[in-house]
Amino acid sequence: KAGVTQTPRYLIKTRGQQVTLSCSPISGHRSVSWYQQTPGQGLQFLFEYFSETQRNKGNFPGRFSGRQFSNSRSEMNVSTLELGDSALYLCASSLGTGPPADTQYFGPGTRLTVL
Amino acid sequence: QKEVEQNSGPLSVPEGAIASLNCTYSDRGSQSFFWYRQYSGKSPELIMFIYSNGDKEDGRFTAQLNKASQYVSLLIRDSQPSDSATYLCAVLRGRGSQGNLIFGKGTKLSVKP
Repeated sequence: KAGVTQTPRYLIKTRGQQVTLSCSPISGHRSVSWYQQTPGQGLQFLFEYFSETQRNKGNFPGRFSGRQFSNSRSEMNVSTLELGDSALYLCASSLGTGPPADTQYFGPGTRLTVL
Repeated sequence: QKEVEQNSGPLSVPEGAIASLNCTYSDRGSQSFFWYRQYSGKSPELIMFIYSNGDKEDGRFTAQLNKASQYVSLLIRDSQPSDSATYLCAVLRGRGSQGNLIFGKGTKLSVKP
């Protein structure tokens, strides 16, 4: 079974621009979660989508948004980029059944650099 | 108090030894606990998960959970240099928090040949 895929793998943007990242989950998985990983803050939860609906949201500003399509693929958008948005953005997919046994599998990530 | 705490390390063990990685969590309602391994420049890779008190073994890995003490650990037996990585402890809270894993900062493990 193919794993989680993310595109693009690397991005370089300048401040003020916007960016869209894409994630394709494992076949049969209906939940997609997005995380930001930085050296200082570690892995932080952005939001989770299940059946095209945002089901949970972390503590990030409204510049960070996402959506999910009927085939469970998800996109994440960051508008008005800031230098501090430079990070590894990871998506993870799962069946979405919730605790205790729901398990997330991560994609390779998108490395975003904001200049 | 941080929600999930890990000793940042580095933890250094000789090849063939047992590596013991520890994690504490603050939310008593937490239901599932996960260990991920992350090599430098790569994404987290699931090692195993546990949600019942006690031990769970998978090959050279054993996860231990003590909900009363809010403590979860990972033992790696017969450590190999290829086990050198950062190990992330993650917690999934109850219903209403689906998809939201809370991560510790990770423990860096170095296995010396």
